[in-house]
Amino acid sequence: QSVLTQPPSVSGAPGQRVTISCTGSSSNIGAGFDVHWYQQLPGTTPKLLIYGNTNRPSGVPDRFSGSKSGTSASLAITGLQAEDEADYYCQSHDSSLSVHVVFGGGTKLTVL
Amino acid sequence: QVQLVQSGAEVKEPGASVKVSCKTSGYTFAGYFIHWVRQAPGQGLEWMGWVSPTSGGTNYAQKFQGRVTMTRDTSVTTAYMELSSLRSDDTAVYYCARDTGDYYRSTSYYEPWGQGTLVTVSS
Repeated sequence: QSVLTQPPSVSGAPGQRVTISCTGSSSNIGAGFDVHWYQQLPGTTPKLLIYGNTNRPSGVPDRFSGSKSGTSASLAITGLQAEDEADYYCQSHDSSLSVHVVFGGGTKLTVL
Repeated sequence: QVQLVQSGAEVKEPGASVKVSCKTSGYTFAGYFIHWVRQAPGQGLEWMGWVSPTSGGTNYAQKFQGRVTMTRDTSVTTAYMELSSLRSDDTAVYYCARDTGDYYRSTSYYEPWGQGTLVTVSS
C-alpha cells in the first residue's frame, strides 16, 4: 500500500491527451511538499520527468507537464506517442517519522 | 557525463547479508546525497534512505532501521548499501540515485539513477 495513490493503469490512442493523478494527504502533498514524476520504460531505470511540481529537465519534451493542487498532483501527456508506453511514478516528501520520501504505486500507460 | 554504476547481481540465502556498491563519476561527489530505492519484482518504488557524501551521516526509513547500513568512501567516490538478515521479500532491484534536489528543504528528487542491482534471496 503506497502512501501516494495512483491509478494502476491508463490508456490512450496516439495523439490523444492522458492524465495520471497522484493523491496524497495532509502529511505529504497537502503539507506543501513538491511532487516529482519519473518515467520507467520497460526493463530500464526510472528517469526524472518533472521536478518541483511543474519543471521539466532539459531534454524532456514539452508534451509532458505537471500540476499540483491541494493534496493531489497530476501528470499530463499530450500528443501521445507509442514510445510513451511506460510506468509512471510520483514522488514527494512526508512529515511522518517512519518514512521521509514517498512514492506512488505507479501507473502503467498503454498506448492503444 | 554524470554516471552511477552499480555492482552486479547477487544471490543470497535467507539470513545472509548483501552489500551493493554505487560508483559515481562526472560530478563533485561531495555535492549531492546518495539515496537508495528498491523495486520488488512487478512492484513500485520504495525509498530506503540516504547517505551524506561529506559527513557520512545517514537517514533510514523506519522499516529498514537495524538491518540497513549506508556508507561512502570519498577516495573512490562510491556509496554502499548493506542489508542484513535477508528474507525472501527482500528480493528486489536495488537502485542508488543522486539527490539533485535538497533533502533538508524537503525537495529531494533523483537524477540520474544507477542501473540497478538485482538481489535474489533464495534457499
